[in-house]
Amino acid sequence: AQKITQTQPGMFVQEKEAVTLDCTYDTSDPSYGLFWYKQPSSGEMIFLIYQGSYDQQNATEGRYSLNFQKARKSANLVISASQLGDSAMYFCAMREAYGGSQGNLIFGKGTKLSVKP
Amino acid sequence: NAGVTQTPKFQVLKTGQSMTLQCAQDMNHNSMYWYRQDPGMGLRLIYYSASEGTTDKGEVPNGYNVSRLNKREFSLRLESAAPSQTSVYFCASSEVFLGFSQPQHFGDGTRLSIL
Repeated sequence: AQKITQTQPGMFVQEKEAVTLDCTYDTSDPSYGLFWYKQPSSGEMIFLIYQGSYDQQNATEGRYSLNFQKARKSANLVISASQLGDSAMYFCAMREAYGGSQGNLIFGKGTKLSVKP
Repeated sequence: NAGVTQTPKFQVLKTGQSMTLQCAQDMNHNSMYWYRQDPGMGLRLIYYSASEGTTDKGEVPNGYNVSRLNKREFSLRLESAAPSQTSVYFCASSEVFLGFSQPQHFGDGTRLSIL
């Protein structure tokens, strides 16, 4: 079974608008971390934001915020005031403390975001 | 402020040839990882090294070997390259292995084509 599901292969957003990228996860481990990475067309993987399973508040980093709904097992990335430079692939990933992944990152298949001027 | 450095950035091989992908990090991280990225597949773990002196298989280890040369360096070797190993390879590092809050920091990737 897929542990990380990103249901939106591609999305478009108008410049300066907000956009939400969906991510759902599956784990029975009570301790885990959720990460979002950005991969621009140049290919590098850029760490954006982290949310821990025990964190009470949603994580925020500048224009990025994570809408964490633990009961629904979702960790959606919200990008506010989209910029042309936000056009990229976005990957959701999970790291379990004790699960079968042995502490390694498990990635979703990604969402390609295109920002229109 | 290099972070994780991978060499080479691009490589074309013939089937059956061997090569080693190099990775070095300057963040004093204990754990290092090798991933491959194929279209529509996200990233999949090949091998990892939780700490200096240890290596373990990930999800897709067949056809690869690794060496954790020292704390800084972690290399990936293809002994007899096959077209199915055409991919983009990423090296990553993190401060510790256990500890689910640690992000992994990635190199820029190596684009490998096997003809």
